[in-house]
Amino acid sequence: SQTIHQWPATLVQPVGSPLSLECTVEGTSNPNLYWYRQAAGRGLQLLFYSVGIGQISSEVPQNLSASRPQDRQFILSSKKLLLSDSGFYLCAWSVLGGSYNEQFFGPGTRLTVL
Amino acid sequence: AQTVTQSQPEMSVQEAETVTLSCTYDTSESDYYLFWYKQPPSRQMILVIRQEAYKQQNATENRFSVNFQKAAKSFSLKISDSQLGDAAMYFCAYRSVLYNNNDMRFGAGTRLTVKP
Repeated sequence: SQTIHQWPATLVQPVGSPLSLECTVEGTSNPNLYWYRQAAGRGLQLLFYSVGIGQISSEVPQNLSASRPQDRQFILSSKKLLLSDSGFYLCAWSVLGGSYNEQFFGPGTRLTVL
Repeated sequence: AQTVTQSQPEMSVQEAETVTLSCTYDTSESDYYLFWYKQPPSRQMILVIRQEAYKQQNATENRFSVNFQKAAKSFSLKISDSQLGDAAMYFCAYRSVLYNNNDMRFGAGTRLTVKP
């Protein structure tokens, strides 16, 4: 069966520091991968998605970036964090052409920028 | 662009009772997918139920069922025999069937409290 992992689970970082969040998927090949941010009490905002290695689409201009160095690995990065980057970050995967194209989510990373 | 609206920020239900969560959406597409996700305190997003727009029959998954009104662009979730474990944030989501559309639109969520 497919599983998705995210780490770290919790992160506290100072303003201006770099960021690297990792997401990996097991049990499937060539998944579509997504990064979402969820602000407190809010819905999900799509940040990036990827349909293959090295292919990244950005949905929201910001100081974050994403990379997909391997088929089942998706990384969210920042060179300098802002206070507004605080939130809950969710990674998700889906299979293009699947019956419903639903997305399956990882456990998330809670990021606090101080 | 498609939008999803959940007009109830918070709802509460007595254990064993039934509750309905509302969701409306705006789209010009004729076929699409609709989902309800549950996010318990653990923050893990769990798919509860899904519906494809061309299917007129309402989806059902055990105690969870939907009332899909395509003309009204409404997709409500009914939880029967509510249990304490149903307490969570519930998100309604819309997804296009277009091959190159990777965008899933989420509503702002409804926080459900279940009272013992």
